[in-house]
Amino acid sequence: DTGVSQNPRHKITKRGQNVTFRCDPISEHNRLYWYRQTLGQGPEFLTYFQNEAQLEKSRLLSDRFSAERPKGSFSTLEIQRTEQGDSAMYLCASSLAREATEAFFGQGTRLTVV
Amino acid sequence: LAKTTQPISMDSYEGQEVNITCSHNNIATNDYITWYQQFPSQGPRFIIQGYKTKVTNEVASLFIPADRKSSTLSLPRVSLSDTAVYYCLVGAATYSSASKIIFGSGTRLSIRP
Repeated sequence: DTGVSQNPRHKITKRGQNVTFRCDPISEHNRLYWYRQTLGQGPEFLTYFQNEAQLEKSRLLSDRFSAERPKGSFSTLEIQRTEQGDSAMYLCASSLAREATEAFFGQGTRLTVV
Repeated sequence: LAKTTQPISMDSYEGQEVNITCSHNNIATNDYITWYQQFPSQGPRFIIQGYKTKVTNEVASLFIPADRKSSTLSLPRVSLSDTAVYYCLVGAATYSSASKIIFGSGTRLSIRP
């Protein structure tokens, strides 16, 4: 297992388009997190899953954002009707529930909305 | 969730020991203290975690006083490659809690030759 994998690494899209990102966590990890990070800021929590259950969503996550984790394996984050303010690095992390604060992060997907 | 306060930036030189202190006055009984490191264009990387007293691993040491209201990350003999942003987090690490990992703004550490 090579760690947390995120695809694509980079995405440029036009305003108003929909985009979807994928995260493949470390195989035995049952927790999966999504974060958004803009330049000079720490990662902002968006949502997290325990297995297939989405346990919490940040108020930052507007109705245009949706995340899924079918079967408790990989996860997708979809942004509908993208806006320029959505431009950021989107990070995924996974962990074991019993070691919830020791998370392993992927390299991120950098989204640019033009 | 306990909020953390840490310096925005620090500078040091190669070969020096660097200590970054984090304040977490409202830490809860079941909260752990965790530090992450982040290089540009990469995701954060777990460095060290502790509950009380001192923890040491191959990368760093973490000092936690008895009242647990602060903690200090110690990086021995830093090199240029230690230039990064360091985040201090507090949160419950156990399965039974709805713990999530919340980042603050971090400390931007710059190491000079």
